[in-house]
This record gives sequence, C-alpha cells and structure tokens, in this order.
Amino acid sequence: GQQVMQIPQYQHVQEGEDFTTYCNSSTTLSNIQWYKQRPGGHPVFLIQLVKSGEVKKQKRLTFQFGEAKKNSSLHITATQTTDVGTYFCAGLTGGSYIPTFGRGTSLIVHP
Amino acid sequence: NAGVTQTPKFQVLKTGQSMTLQCAQDMNHEYMSWYRQDPGMGLRLIHYSVGAGITDQGEVPNGYNVSRSTTEDFPLRLLSAAPSQTSVYFCASRLTGVTYNEQFFGPGTRLTVL
Repeated sequence: GQQVMQIPQYQHVQEGEDFTTYCNSSTTLSNIQWYKQRPGGHPVFLIQLVKSGEVKKQKRLTFQFGEAKKNSSLHITATQTTDVGTYFCAGLTGGSYIPTFGRGTSLIVHP
Repeated sequence: NAGVTQTPKFQVLKTGQSMTLQCAQDMNHEYMSWYRQDPGMGLRLIHYSVGAGITDQGEVPNGYNVSRSTTEDFPLRLLSAAPSQTSVYFCASRLTGVTYNEQFFGPGTRLTVL
C-alpha cells in the first residue's frame, strides 16, 4: 500500500534558526496536505498542495510540492517558540478520501 | 459551529471493560474517521465512513467497532479493552469534494487501559 515517509522525526533548533521537514511518498500523489499539532493539542490543517512544482507561502512557512508529485517539504524561516509542535504531511492519491499520514516531525525550539 | 466534538476527554479502563468514544460534528460533513496516535507512530486510521450507513476499516481496525446512523455522529466502540489500546484517539471529519478536502480534528480522547 501507499507509504509516506517523513524525516526527521525530531529537530531541535535555536530560536531564529531555520527548519525543514521532508515527506516522500512511494506512489504519485494527487495532492498533499500539511497539519500542525501543538503539544497536547489536535492536528490543525495548514495547507494543501495540488500542482506539480507548486510553492505556497504562509508568512515564514514555505511549502513545496515536487515536480513528480512524490515529495514535499515544509520550511520555516527564523523559527519562533510559537512554532513548537509536530508537523505532519498527509498524501492523497486519485479520488481517495483517505489521506496517508507521515509519522510527523517534532520541532523543539530553544529560546 | 462547534466543529468536531469528542467525549470524554480522558478515560481510564480496566482490561476487558468496554466503552464508547463519542464523536459529533455540526458541519454536515459526509466523511468521518477515527485515528489513534501513539508516540513515534503518527496518526493511524482505525475506521472511516463516507456517509450515514456506510463504514469501512482502516489500517488498525482490530478491537474496535463503529456505526454511522446519522451524518452528525460517529461513535467508536471498544469491545474488550486491552493495554495495547492505550492511546490518544482523534475523530476527524471533512467534505468529500475532491478539490477541497481539509480534515477537521476533534480535541481527542486520552485513553488508558490498565
């Protein structure tokens, strides 16, 4: 079945440093979603990418979808303590309603 | 709108006990699903439903039952709790349109089985 691998599992950064998490799918995706989960909270939708090579920005967050639609990344510029949490990617194929989640990357920001 | 609500927030069970985790949404979403989250394992799909009267198994369905008698409600039943079912459970819902399919998650139920 479809697998979505996400790395790294954990990332410690000093406040102000950049952060990147990567997702790779074993199959071509129709779209990919990103979610953020704060400690003790629930996943919250951030964005969806649909087009090959698509790049979207939300303030300090930059999301990319690979040309082959099998990989994606989330980059945070100049991290802040408010960025702490676990970031998940979730890939969908064809007309499926069921996303396959990566295992998430936990971001720890040291002030 | 309340969004997706889950009850209870916390629950402690003894091995062999049964219970039902409640999930409700007021957004008229067709698709609802249950996930469990364990450290380092991400979100694993237990069961899902694409509409009232329709349910199907996800990745880890054993030990859990679901039903969907209304669009709003999607309860998850643990038939005979086991320590391996200690986890955080999230319910989620979304529309089933292809072009816009953000999932909304409930606040979660933290379950401990002794």
